[in-house]
Amino acid sequence: GQQVMQIPQYQHVQEGEDFTTYCNSSTTLSNIQWYKQRPGGHPVFLIQLVKSGEVKKQKRLTFQFGEAKKNSSLHITATQTTDVGTYFCAGLISSGGSNYKLTFGKGTLLTVNP
Amino acid sequence: NAGVTQTPKFQVLKTGQSMTLQCAQDMNHNSMYWYRQDPGMGLRLIYYSASEGTTDKGEVPNGYNVSRLNKREFSLRLESAAPSQTSVYFCASSEGQFLYEQYFGPGTRLTVT
Repeated sequence: GQQVMQIPQYQHVQEGEDFTTYCNSSTTLSNIQWYKQRPGGHPVFLIQLVKSGEVKKQKRLTFQFGEAKKNSSLHITATQTTDVGTYFCAGLISSGGSNYKLTFGKGTLLTVNP
Repeated sequence: NAGVTQTPKFQVLKTGQSMTLQCAQDMNHNSMYWYRQDPGMGLRLIYYSASEGTTDKGEVPNGYNVSRLNKREFSLRLESAAPSQTSVYFCASSEGQFLYEQYFGPGTRLTVT
């Protein structure tokens, strides 16, 4: 079935290092959303990308949507301990008309060594 | 505003017991969702309600039923709990169906023994 694949599953970095997580779909996405979940917490919306090739920045976070709208990435510059958590992408796939399906990737767990 | 609230926060059931998870939102959102989260599996959609009066199956609906009681409330019922339903359950809401950011509740940790 239609899937949204996310890699890596885990990433451990030293504080100050950069971090990137990637999201790939076999199907063209209408949009992609990114969420962050702190340990023991609930997912919190970060951003939504809609346009082909779109790049958005939030302080040290950079989000990209691929030209073919089949992949996306989240890059964190100079990680901090507050960045610890699981980052999820969620791809929106149209199944015709006004019917959509939002599929979450399995997430990337980021741990940061101070 | 409380956002999205869920009750209970924790629950332990025995196999075959039934229970209802409650969810309410105070953001006047049209759409509401129930997800389950299992280790290494991400978030999987159980049921959703695009608007008041409608409900639809998601990816993993078997063993569950839902009720959209009104615009604010969306409940999830387990009629006969099974160990495979041990999970963390999240309710979420959004302004419109799927195209908009979702706001999640704090979750219910359910264990079925």
